Amino acid sequence: EVQLVESGGELVQPGGSLRLSCAASTFNVRDYWMHWVRQAPGKGLVWVSRINGDGSRTTYADPVKGRFTTSRDNTENTVHLQMNSLTVEDTGVYYCARERVLPTVYGMDVWGRGTTVIVSS
Amino acid sequence: SYDLTQPPSVSVSPGQTATITCSGDALPKQYVYWYRHKPGQAPVMVIFKDSERPSGIPERFSGSHSGTTVTLTISGVQAEDEADYYCQTAGSSGSSRVFGGGTKLTVL
Repeated sequence: EVQLVESGGELVQPGGSLRLSCAASTFNVRDYWMHWVRQAPGKGLVWVSRINGDGSRTTYADPVKGRFTTSRDNTENTVHLQMNSLTVEDTGVYYCARERVLPTVYGMDVWGRGTTVIVSS
Repeated sequence: SYDLTQPPSVSVSPGQTATITCSGDALPKQYVYWYRHKPGQAPVMVIFKDSERPSGIPERFSGSHSGTTVTLTISGVQAEDEADYYCQTAGSSGSSRVFGGGTKLTVL
C-alpha cells in the first residue's frame, strides 16, 4: 500500500527545536516533490514547505523561512522537517504529502495522517 | 494576489447537490486542486487540474473553472461526504503552494 507516515511530533517549549520525519512505503520519494502542510487547532490547512526530487531545491512559506529546513534521505526513503525557534503559532498537526510534477503537476495525491506538535511552556 | 477565498460553510440535504466555490485573482492562469479532509484522517485529493478525478473518487465529484472562480460540485450528496474541503493552487513562486481557507460541508 502506498503510504506516508509522519513521526516526531511532541510537546516542546517556545524557542525549542523539533525534527519531524515522514517515511514513505512502496514508492520512491525521489520521484516526487514532497510537501509539509500544517493545521493549527480549529484552523485550515496551510502549506509549509516543499523539496524537489533530488533535494537540491527547497521552498518555504514566509512564516517559517529561516527557521524550518526540509531535507530528504532518498536511501532511507524519508523526508525531514527541522523546526527551530519554535513559537506557539507553530502548534498544530503536520502532514507530509507527495506531489508528482512531471510531465505536469498532478497535485498532492498521497498524504500521511499527521503528527502533532505542541509548542507551550 | 495568490490568496484563495472559499465560503466557510455549505449545508445540503442528502441527495442534493453541493457547490463549493474558490476564488482568486491568479486562478485564470493556474490549475486548482481540491482536497477532502475529515477529522483525524489524512486529506484526500478529490479533483486535480481543475476537473480531473483521481481513481477511486466517485463520479459525483466534479470540478469546473471559469476565470477567477473554480467550483467543486458534489452531486447526490451522501452523509459520508461531510467534511472540510480545500482548494489549492501554486503560489507566486511557482514552487510554493497555497490553500484556500476551507469550506465545511454539512449534510443535514
